Amino acid sequence: NAGVTQTPKFRVLKTGQSMTLLCAQDMNHEYMYWYRQDPGMGLRLIHYSVGEGTTAKGEVPDGYNVSRLKKQNFLLGLESAAPSQTSVYFCASSYSALDTQYFGPGTRLTVL
Amino acid sequence: RKEVEQDPGPFNVPEGATVAFNCTYSNSASQSFFWYRQDCRKEPKLLMSVYSSGNEDGRFTAQLNRASQYISLLIRDSKLSDSATYLCVVNGGGNKLVFGAGTILRVKS
Repeated sequence: NAGVTQTPKFRVLKTGQSMTLLCAQDMNHEYMYWYRQDPGMGLRLIHYSVGEGTTAKGEVPDGYNVSRLKKQNFLLGLESAAPSQTSVYFCASSYSALDTQYFGPGTRLTVL
Repeated sequence: RKEVEQDPGPFNVPEGATVAFNCTYSNSASQSFFWYRQDCRKEPKLLMSVYSSGNEDGRFTAQLNRASQYISLLIRDSKLSDSATYLCVVNGGGNKLVFGAGTILRVKS
């Protein structure tokens, strides 16, 4: 079982460049999430989705956009990358809002 | 006050020791509680859910104290492979799960 997959695994960007991170899940989960994890700060929710075609802001949404055109996919976009967006990005999915979340392996992004 | 707070550690214990972590939460209406484990440079994975009556899974015991608003994780007979960061997860306001920053455990031989 694939579970939750993320692409790419690593990426280096220059300031001002754009990129899209892809998350895919095969568990038919309604809820999907994007987090960033920085040393000493734990996981912080960027955006989330409660179903196909819906998105909502989390704790730290500025500088990011998301789309959920298909139930199984959740895309995170950085329009103009900044060094402050250097982080590890995790995608997760769950059956319901308060249910167990299953995480992808993460994307390590460095912005120079 | 943070919604979920944990002692960051690290907790350095010898193999075979018993170690306990606590996690406090601020939302008295919270209903969902979990412990996740995160290995270095890996994704968080569910360790166990925490039920009102307390629950045990092998060497791991989780308990909930609603009156004092904390959950605990007890690890008995620690193994080297238990070395990881343990994340406390609680549902906060807005019907979303909130992750604590984690407690680092290092088990040494």
